[in-house]
Amino acid sequence: DQQVKQNSPSLSVQEGRISILNCDYTNSMFDYFLWYKKYPAEGPTFLISISSIKDKNEDGRFTVFLNKSAKHLSLHIVPSQPGDSAVYFCAASARSGANNLFFGTGTRLTVIP
Amino acid sequence: DVKVTQSSRYLVKRTGEKVFLECVQDMDHENMFWYRQDPGLGLRLIYFSYDVKMKEKGDIPEGYSVSREKKERFSLILESASTNQTSMYLCASSSDGAKAFFGQGTRLTVV
Repeated sequence: DQQVKQNSPSLSVQEGRISILNCDYTNSMFDYFLWYKKYPAEGPTFLISISSIKDKNEDGRFTVFLNKSAKHLSLHIVPSQPGDSAVYFCAASARSGANNLFFGTGTRLTVIP
Repeated sequence: DVKVTQSSRYLVKRTGEKVFLECVQDMDHENMFWYRQDPGLGLRLIYFSYDVKMKEKGDIPEGYSVSREKKERFSLILESASTNQTSMYLCASSSDGAKAFFGQGTRLTVV
C-alpha cells in the first residue's frame, strides 16, 4: 500500500509563474519529509526538507508547506524556470523507526518558456 | 562533496544471468539502500543495510539479494535475471535515515 502519494503525474506551468506540487501521506508516524528532483538518466538530488515540528521551510525559490492534520505537504516554486523541468519526488520517513525513506510516484513538472 | 558511485550507467544482460550492481559511498554513512524506479511506480525499496553485514528487506526483495562486506560498499545481486527486472536501479546512502544521497543510477535491460 502506497504510504506516500502524489496524485498528479504531471504539471505544466509557464515560466515565471508559481508551480505547486502536492503530496499526501497516510502514516502518522512520519515526522520528516523531503523533496527530491530527478532529471532523466540521473539519480535524484535532494531539494528541500521539513521536520514535523515546522509547518513551513523556505530555501530561495523553493518553499515546502506541511499540514499535519491533513497529512499533506506541498512544494512551491516561485518563479518557475525552464531548468526546473524534472520529475519531483516527495519522500517521508519516521526517524524513530526504520532508517528508510518512503517515496511517492513522482510528478513531472514542465516549465514552458 | 558527497559522492555515491554506481559501477555502471547502462547494462544489458541476458535472461538467467547473474548480475552484480555495485555501489560505493565516500561519506562514511551507516545506511545504504537499493531502489528501483519504474514509470508510474516511483522509487521502490528493494533492500537496505544499516551496518556492515546487516541487511533488511524492503518492499520488493523477491529475486534480489545484497551484500555489505565493507561500510562503503553495498552490492545488489540479481540471482537469475528476468525481463521484469529491467529497470533503473538507484543506490543511496544516509547517516540518519532521513536525507539520502543518491548515485547516478544504473539502467539495466534484461533481454
